[in-house]
Amino acid sequence: AQSVTQPDIHITVSEGASLELRCNYSYGATPYLFWYVQSPGQGLQLLLKYFSGDTLVQGIKGFEAEFKRSQSSFNLRKPSVHWSDAAEYFCAVGTNYGGSQGNLIFGKGTKLSVKP
Amino acid sequence: EPEVTQTPSHQVTQMGQEVILRCVPISNHLYFYWYRQILGQKVEFLVSFYNNEISEKSEIFDDQFSVERPDGSNFTLKIRSTKLEDSAMYFCASSRYRGGGDEQYFGPGTRLTVT
Repeated sequence: AQSVTQPDIHITVSEGASLELRCNYSYGATPYLFWYVQSPGQGLQLLLKYFSGDTLVQGIKGFEAEFKRSQSSFNLRKPSVHWSDAAEYFCAVGTNYGGSQGNLIFGKGTKLSVKP
Repeated sequence: EPEVTQTPSHQVTQMGQEVILRCVPISNHLYFYWYRQILGQKVEFLVSFYNNEISEKSEIFDDQFSVERPDGSNFTLKIRSTKLEDSAMYFCASSRYRGGGDEQYFGPGTRLTVT
């Protein structure tokens, strides 16, 4: 069955430090992969997506992610974290097989705290 | 920038009551979705809707749930007889194309509390 695993529930980094949030997926076909961010009281905002092509994708707010098929991973990175990046981050895989209408399967999320 | 809106932001209801959660998707989008997130758990897919009918639903979406697009702009989720375990944040989303291969735009959510 399709699934997404985010092994880190909560991460704290210092402002200005680099960040990597881990995401592993289990999916039989070529995956469509997404990272969403959720600030308190807000909806889910798309940071970036991978459909095909270059395995390193750039997103908004200075984020990037790398798709590694051999590791079934799609880790999110940012070279220098800002205090405003504190939020919850969700990795998701989009179903695209057969008659599926493309719902998203989410991981449990990683909460990012940023210390001054 | 166009956005998905949801009302109300917070709904409190008693067990057994019916609730309707409302969403206004982005106007030129064709695919609509409901997801829910129970506190502390992952976001889960409930149902997708296209061309005025349900195109896919999860096992969570049982007979107590229904969706409707009553006019050209609204998309609603009805829970006929709420249970305590229906307490969750409910997100509406829409996409121009089939969502697995296109970005889904999410609304801010409706927090449903069943007492």
